[in-house]
Amino acid sequence: EAGVAQSPRYKIIEKRQSVAFWCNPISGHATLYWYQQILGQGPKLLIQFQNNGVVDDSQLPKDRFSAERLKGVDSTLKIQPAKLEDSAVYLCASSTGALRTDTQYFGPGTRLTVL
Amino acid sequence: KNEVEQSPQNLTAQEGEFITINCSYSVGISALHWLQQHPGGGIVSLFMLSSGKKKHGRLIATINIQEKHSSLHITASHPRDSAVYICAAFNADGLTFGKGTHLIIQP
Repeated sequence: EAGVAQSPRYKIIEKRQSVAFWCNPISGHATLYWYQQILGQGPKLLIQFQNNGVVDDSQLPKDRFSAERLKGVDSTLKIQPAKLEDSAVYLCASSTGALRTDTQYFGPGTRLTVL
Repeated sequence: KNEVEQSPQNLTAQEGEFITINCSYSVGISALHWLQQHPGGGIVSLFMLSSGKKKHGRLIATINIQEKHSSLHITASHPRDSAVYICAAFNADGLTFGKGTHLIIQP
């Protein structure tokens, strides 16, 4: 069974540029999460999808961050424009259930550096 | 670069025994995952720890940030606990995985 795929693995951009990350969850997993992990902090949930609907995006900085999961399968997370403080690892995870306590399967992450 | 070391690499025990798997890492981290992988299956997250201790059923995970060390304990082990247990440390590089501990619980 293939795991959660993410791309790119690394990205370096200048502030005010745009960037997009892609995630393909495990086949059949209805729930998809995007996390942001800033150095020195624990991962922070940005958005949770259940199929193609948003369950929780309360911590997503909506003025610059957007995410979609149009067909309920893969997802993209976009930052436009990027700020220095967006430098972090962006993790995607998926699970079969909708509860936060359901087991989540993690992708390898995308490390973003904003210069 | 963070290095994550696990011990033991292989462990065979009898059903009912108390199991301990250790994980040490070399640089500061923000959180540590304990993951489980069954033969032919994907990786499943058991715990995510930033400090202290967490318990879920017969599984207990502890972390000592100062000592850069975490342990996973299984009480009253069962053959269905047989799997590879992997610790993965979060830092700026993302997830750094240990090589895993192959656990076999014999009936």
